[in-house]
Amino acid sequence: DAKTTQPPSMDCAEGRAANLPCNHSTISGNEYVYWYRQIHSQGPQYIIHGLKNNETNEMASLIITEDRKSSTLILPHATLRDTAVYYCIGRDSNYQLIWGAGTKLIIKP
Amino acid sequence: DVKVTQSSRYLVKRTGEKVFLECVQDMDHENMFWYRQDPGLGLRLIYFSYDVKMKEKGDIPEGYSVSREKKERFSLILESASTNQTSMYLCASSDTMDRDNGYTFGSGTRLTVV
Repeated sequence: DAKTTQPPSMDCAEGRAANLPCNHSTISGNEYVYWYRQIHSQGPQYIIHGLKNNETNEMASLIITEDRKSSTLILPHATLRDTAVYYCIGRDSNYQLIWGAGTKLIIKP
Repeated sequence: DVKVTQSSRYLVKRTGEKVFLECVQDMDHENMFWYRQDPGLGLRLIYFSYDVKMKEKGDIPEGYSVSREKKERFSLILESASTNQTSMYLCASSDTMDRDNGYTFGSGTRLTVV
């Protein structure tokens, strides 16, 4: 199973890039890493996922190390609305998502 | 815009009541999931379904049952609600044909059992 480790909380100034780290040293070679976020009192929202290559979409960029033991989610220009809990997630042997405690990201004006 | 809709945002029920939480998705997804979320415990999978009339137990199925009579609807049933089932309940769906892509979640139902 791909267990992930994230810092419990982070701050970032509005307008700056927010870089959220995740360690996933037990991930296997064919397992994706997924990122979701959850804004207070809402359901989780899918952000991005990746396998080996770096990925970018309209929400964020995902940088995965060559050994795939860690990754970083980048929000290039954080806004106050990006304040949320961010989850870095792997899958278990039954293909179900494994949810940890996530990182509480606070964007400060 | 694709959606997963949960029937109630907030719900208050009495101990012993039978409670139905409804979830509907409009994406023609095969897979549907019910989670509960509690402070300090994260999201925990209760049940999931990969097809109509099919269901599988998740990590914490005790005290719950589910029903999937139609592809778009997945219901979570608390046969006899108890106070320890007070929680945020989240429904999600995903596409089997695109199983490596993300889940789409509903907005959640905050259930309080008194």
